[in-house]
Amino acid sequence: AQSVAQPEDQVNVAEGNPLTVKCTYSVSGNPYLFWYVQYPNRGLQFLLKYITGDNLVKGSYGFEAEFNKSQTSFHLKKPSALVSDSALYFCAVTINNAGNMLTFGGGTRLMVKP
Amino acid sequence: GAVVSQHPSRVICKSGTSVKIECRSLDFQATTMFWYRQFPKQSLMLMATSNEGSKATYEQGVEKDKFLINHASLTLSTLTVTSAHPEDSSFYICSASSAGGAFEETQYFGPGTRLLVL
Repeated sequence: AQSVAQPEDQVNVAEGNPLTVKCTYSVSGNPYLFWYVQYPNRGLQFLLKYITGDNLVKGSYGFEAEFNKSQTSFHLKKPSALVSDSALYFCAVTINNAGNMLTFGGGTRLMVKP
Repeated sequence: GAVVSQHPSRVICKSGTSVKIECRSLDFQATTMFWYRQFPKQSLMLMATSNEGSKATYEQGVEKDKFLINHASLTLSTLTVTSAHPEDSSFYICSASSAGGAFEETQYFGPGTRLLVL
């Protein structure tokens, strides 16, 4: 069975400061890892993914994430937060390509204050 | 690219009626579509997975006779909530993925449909 943990329900950061949203996973096999962002009353928007290759993945809106196999983590980062980054962030994992189901973490609410 | 639409975005209906939600992939062919349900301040719960031309695979605890899923083409899947009751009120989100091509390996999500059953 595969699982994803997002240990923080909410992350608060001041605008301009770096942000990190944590994600750890558990799978039996090689993981495919994803980050999505959800704005109020909207669906999920794809930010970035790790399939293979370079452990540092760059995605939309200046976000990046680092795959760490030994720590089974895939933390989302951004060097300088914007107020508009405030949203709900979901980490997800699967062990195959997108034809198979994703397992989502519980979500982390990011609040960026001016 | 990779745009998924849902219609309607919001629907209010009376208890006992049926509601149909459409999910369309606008710029790619979706070999697989997924239907999720999301409760307030919670993560997404997968309801079912459907492949074009095949019967949907439902997750444990999801009533297939209540949540009818049709994936008639590579760009359209529908979810029909039959005989809706207030406890079916929720935010329903679809996603689509494609085997092969530029959109492989990633699920792309629709904007969601908020259902309120009175």
